Amino acid sequence: EVQLLESGGGLVQPGGSLRLSCAASGFTFSSYAMNWVRQAPGRGLEWVAGIGGIGGSRNYADSVKGRFTISRDNSKNTVELQMNSLRVEDTAVYYCAKDYDIVTAYYGMDVWGQGTTVTVSS
Amino acid sequence: DVVLTQSPLSLPVTLGQPASISCRSSQSLVYTDGNTYLNWFQQRPGQSPRRLIYKVSNRDSGVPDRFSGSGSGTDFTLKISRVEAEDIGVYYCMQGTHWPPGVYTFGQGTKLEIK
Repeated sequence: EVQLLESGGGLVQPGGSLRLSCAASGFTFSSYAMNWVRQAPGRGLEWVAGIGGIGGSRNYADSVKGRFTISRDNSKNTVELQMNSLRVEDTAVYYCAKDYDIVTAYYGMDVWGQGTTVTVSS
Repeated sequence: DVVLTQSPLSLPVTLGQPASISCRSSQSLVYTDGNTYLNWFQQRPGQSPRRLIYKVSNRDSGVPDRFSGSGSGTDFTLKISRVEAEDIGVYYCMQGTHWPPGVYTFGQGTKLEIK
């Protein structure tokens, strides 16, 4: 069974940092791009970042560029999101999502995790 | 940047009746390879999103055939032939054609609810 399990969410003060992790199982991890998508309370979906299957290609939403870094470890089947300089508006449920292809583009995400909650507040 | 506009934002429906959601793009979603990368997602209350349709009209595995996608260029539609109780939730269109900046863009979402 294909599964994604996020961890690392929590409460952090504005300006602080947090590192999210996603453990994948049930598929050939290195053959697929991975994404992080977030959903602010009561709001819609926002794609945050993506990384290609081999890990060389990384893309970010303008809203997080320069503050967030996506990375992956194909030997451990994990993808991470390092979030720095956090803002109140980064408060959201963060979903790890498997892409349909080896690159982050085109078809979107066909498997989603259950999400981890990040709250940025003083 | 491409903008996806969904309508309506709220859709009250009667069980057993059809439903239709529109998604309009500010730019054509035809990619240089000739494909159109417009996808649809469903998010049931309290659940993670789930992809229903990819590349305009291709249903994902396990998606009931009462769901169908159509459209071209800038105008797209998700149709449910007969709404069932399990269909209640929010539906999002998402494009994967135009990037950068970013890669994927979602519509605002359409909330399907029982009348």
